[in-house]
Amino acid sequence: NAGVTQTPKFRILKIGQSMTLQCTQDMNHNYMYWYRQDPGMGLKLIYYSVGAGITDKGEVPNGYNVSRSTTEDFPLRLELAAPSQTSVYFCASSHRVRGDGYTFGSGTRLTVV
Amino acid sequence: TQLLEQSPQFLSIQEGENLTVYCNSSSVFSSLQWYRQEPGEGPVLLVTVVTGGEVKKLKRLTFQFGDARKDSSLHITAAQPGDTGLYLCAGARGETSGSRLTFGEGTQLTVNP
Repeated sequence: NAGVTQTPKFRILKIGQSMTLQCTQDMNHNYMYWYRQDPGMGLKLIYYSVGAGITDKGEVPNGYNVSRSTTEDFPLRLELAAPSQTSVYFCASSHRVRGDGYTFGSGTRLTVV
Repeated sequence: TQLLEQSPQFLSIQEGENLTVYCNSSSVFSSLQWYRQEPGEGPVLLVTVVTGGEVKKLKRLTFQFGDARKDSSLHITAAQPGDTGLYLCAGARGETSGSRLTFGEGTQLTVNP
């Protein structure tokens, strides 16, 4: 069971560059999420999706975009990278049943210089 | 935004000691989850508590959900170095695990041999 797979694990971007963080899950989960984690700040929700074709903003969506064309994939797009986007990004998924909890990927560490 | 406050933020103890981590909010949650995160990895679900006053045990870990469903605690008995990690609480307002979670900022636990 692969669970939630994120690529790449590490990336260094220059200010103004763009990139896509990939996330795929093989558990047939309807719900998928993108979080960023900054030191001492916990996890902040960027975007989430309740199913293919449906996405919505979380707490900190500015500077990011997402799409959900399939159940399995939920890529996160960074346009015009800024130093404030330096962070560790986690993708997660969950089933509809309460109590299952979230399954997280192992994260992408992004540095914008 | 429903705020979840965890305390303490950092905890360093010796092997064999007991400890308690607290997660408090002014908001009512339908369920609360605890995760543990190790360096370079995503959070991993430890437990979900749903009913006010509920107590769950997972080996040396005891989780409690407050009667009013606004707070929770995690107690570890006879801590071991393998317990070292970042402990995160997360609350859900809705009735499914697809409901967006609000995460606390975490408690970094270090257990010294």
